[in-house]
Amino acid sequence: QSALTQPASVSGSPGQSITISCTGTNADIGAYNHVSWYQQHPGKVPKLIIYDVSERPSGSSNRFSGSKSGNTAFLTISGLQAEDEADYHCSSYRSATLVFGGGTKLTVL
Amino acid sequence: EVQLLDSGGGLEQPGGSLRLSCAASGFTFRRYAMTWVRQAPGKGLEWVSTITGVDRGGAIYYADSVKGRFTISRDDSKNTLYLYMDSLRAEDTATYYCTKMIPNSGWPFDYWGRGTLVTVSS
Repeated sequence: QSALTQPASVSGSPGQSITISCTGTNADIGAYNHVSWYQQHPGKVPKLIIYDVSERPSGSSNRFSGSKSGNTAFLTISGLQAEDEADYHCSSYRSATLVFGGGTKLTVL
Repeated sequence: EVQLLDSGGGLEQPGGSLRLSCAASGFTFRRYAMTWVRQAPGKGLEWVSTITGVDRGGAIYYADSVKGRFTISRDDSKNTLYLYMDSLRAEDTATYYCTKMIPNSGWPFDYWGRGTLVTVSS
């Protein structure tokens, strides 16, 4: 069982927006603004798309945005495209360790 | 261009040991914290161990699941990160990724190696 809780799957149609949640505790997400999100296509290496809750690294699409409320972080993908179909993993810093969620499979209908 | 070339995986029996390596290039290796992350087949990501850069004194951190069995180290003269894995268990079976961390932030990993598969089975 993962330390952070994500929905197993979400889906959306091209052009729509979807949001993936990532729920932790007041020892990780609630305590630090250090949530990251990774996109992983099948058979590929994870790619960082959001860090420190809402920062986008160079090369990450501006269709990805992040936010946080209490012990839950959110990844929003706007203007869904077929290429967004992938697994999404959240992580949070937790006092000299790091915890991940179990991952969410995004299906673009 | 940043490159991370991880290697050393393979098939090992329970109780055995392996050493993974990660050759880094394209950045000033000694200044950056580095981390091993693993992914069991069909599962999510799991943080394994982190070693900070020279500016943070090479501090080391381990996940509880590997503490006492795995040892992370780095050779800044060779731009190489290592993970020595001892007392291997079936649940250590995973692809192990070497990652580079963004400094002064909450441990995000901006570059990943291609991964090296470790299989623990008799």
